[in-house]
Amino acid sequence: EAQVTQNPRYLITVTGKKLTVTCSQNMNHEYMSWYRQDPGLGLRQIYYSMNVEVTDKGDVPEGYKVSRKEKRNFPLILESPSPNQTSLYFCASSLYGQSEKLFFGSGTQLSVL
Amino acid sequence: AQRVTQPEKLLSVFKGAPVELKCNYSYSGSPELFWYVQYSRQRLQLLLRHISRESIKGFTADLNKGETSFHLKKPFAQEEDSAMYYCALRAGAQKLVFGQGTRLTINP
Repeated sequence: EAQVTQNPRYLITVTGKKLTVTCSQNMNHEYMSWYRQDPGLGLRQIYYSMNVEVTDKGDVPEGYKVSRKEKRNFPLILESPSPNQTSLYFCASSLYGQSEKLFFGSGTQLSVL
Repeated sequence: AQRVTQPEKLLSVFKGAPVELKCNYSYSGSPELFWYVQYSRQRLQLLLRHISRESIKGFTADLNKGETSFHLKKPFAQEEDSAMYYCALRAGAQKLVFGQGTRLTINP
């Protein structure tokens, strides 16, 4: 089944403990992106990637890192999580870019204590 | 600055009644607009985009550049339309700006 897979679905951690949220797609999409969803703010883009080894900042990149070593994977890394990064995170992919239909993962609810 | 505004956080209508979810945008360039929907326990998915001028599940949306709006409409609401709806604007090559979302509830 063609889809975007995120793991884990839920994660509770403490301030400062490095974590990685994985994202994988099996559709051979070139474009991948991370969003965070907060009440009253909608979805905001964190980072995106046009292709392997090509990444760029979105609107809210502070405190996050990404990498794109393989086409299918686009992990989101929080080197030193803080409570203001408590949020619902979505990974998405599309064939080429934002004009194309975006396929979303099921989301990761992160709580940083 | 690019911005998408969905003025209603919550919208409740009765089954069979018309539905209109409002979306206004601010963008100096040529806008490209989308509606995404998230049904209960499902992933966020594309509902429609203005360049396609399509009708999906009975929903339509017309881009009004004069009023900078892209309202989503359906003449007769159905219970399965209950969901979270997001309006989105493509602002620049790779930037998609989302509105705050509107939770639509269709009452039986």
